[in-house]
Formats: sequence, C-alpha cells, structure tokens
Amino acid sequence: AQTVTQSQPEMSVQEAETVTLSCTYDTSESDYYLFWYKQPPSRQMILVIRQEAYKQQNATENRFSVNFQKAAKSFSLKISDSQLGDAAMYFCAYRDPLITNFGNEKLTFGTGTRLTIIP
Amino acid sequence: KAGVTQTPRYLIKTRGQQVTLSCSPISGHRSVSWYQQTPGQGLQFLFEYFSETQRNKGNFPGRFSGRQFSNSRSEMNVSTLELGDSALYLCASRTSTGSGELFFGEGSRLTVL
Repeated sequence: AQTVTQSQPEMSVQEAETVTLSCTYDTSESDYYLFWYKQPPSRQMILVIRQEAYKQQNATENRFSVNFQKAAKSFSLKISDSQLGDAAMYFCAYRDPLITNFGNEKLTFGTGTRLTIIP
Repeated sequence: KAGVTQTPRYLIKTRGQQVTLSCSPISGHRSVSWYQQTPGQGLQFLFEYFSETQRNKGNFPGRFSGRQFSNSRSEMNVSTLELGDSALYLCASRTSTGSGELFFGEGSRLTVL
C-alpha cells in the first residue's frame, strides 16, 4: 500500500524568509500524482501545487515550488517570501494514476506539518 | 462558481445515535469523495462515488455508508455512533478529466458524547 510520510510535525519561519517542508512516499507505481494541500484554521483544504510523476520538471506556482526526486521518492515544498497568510497545516498527498477518467481517485495523505509564520 | 458545500457544519450526537451528513459538489463535478480527519489518525479515505455508484471504499466498518443522487449530491451516514467517530468529515469533488484535482468543502464537525 502507498504511504506518505511527513517527518516535520511543526515548522516555523520568519516572515519574508524561505521554508522547505519535507515529504517522502512509497509506491511501486511508475506514474502517479503528488499534491500539496494547505488547510488554514478555517479548515477548508486548498490545493497548493501538483506534480505528475512522469514530468521531470519541478512544478511551480508563484511563491510555491517543489523539489521532486522520483528515485528518492521525495517531494518537498518550498515556500519563498513567506507571508502571514501562509500559516496553516500542510499536507502532502499521493494518488495512483487514474485507470479510467473517474476511477481510483483516493488520496493518501501524510500526517501534516503545521507551519507558523513569525512576524 | 459555488464551491463544495457541506451541511451541517457542526453537530453534536450521543453514542448509539445515527447521523447523516450532506455534500453538494461543485456544479459539473460528478465525482464525490469523503474523508475523515482526526488528530490521531489524520486524514483517512472513506468512499468515493461517481454517477450514483460507489467506486472505492476505505477501511471503515459497515456503520459508515454513503450514497450519491442523480444530481451528484452525496450523503454519508454513520449508524450506532461511537465516541471515536468524533471527527471532521470532509467531502471533495472533482471533474472526470485532467489531473483530477480534488476540491474540498469546509467539513462537518461531528462530536459524539
């Protein structure tokens, strides 16, 4: 079974600095999807960034970027220029490739990293 | 476009009772998934539905059930509630194309006394 591990329960960073959240996963699949979700205190889970395993290029979304190391099964999230609004729980998630357009969409989540932004 | 809507947002039940939670997906999304979130177990997959059919089920007892209606709205039911069922129940919907990004609702916070 696929597993996702986030080894940092809590992280803190000074406002405007850069922070990296770690995630490792285990799978026997060669093609899959990886996601980082953010859950602020309001509770709604929001997608931050996604990575398709077949793409070698690391995904980037504004201040958020990933370091995807497929051989090492590592998928870290880098947040640049941290802002107060970045404070949240961050979850790394894995999903098997879609067998059909609408099958096997189950996400396996890590245990999360609570990120605190220090003003 | 309205997001995923879950009702009720908060509810309190006692052991042995049953509860029904509702989820309205984003318009046009035909797939709905449910997750349970607790401090101890984290986020765990409950089930997924597409076109009124359950396509996948997580490792939960039979007390947890769900269904999906023809308008894609979904409900989940928990019978004979136990204290350990206290959790945030999250619903998510997605389109049937692309990377299949999940869009989550704000959740229903269930407290079992």
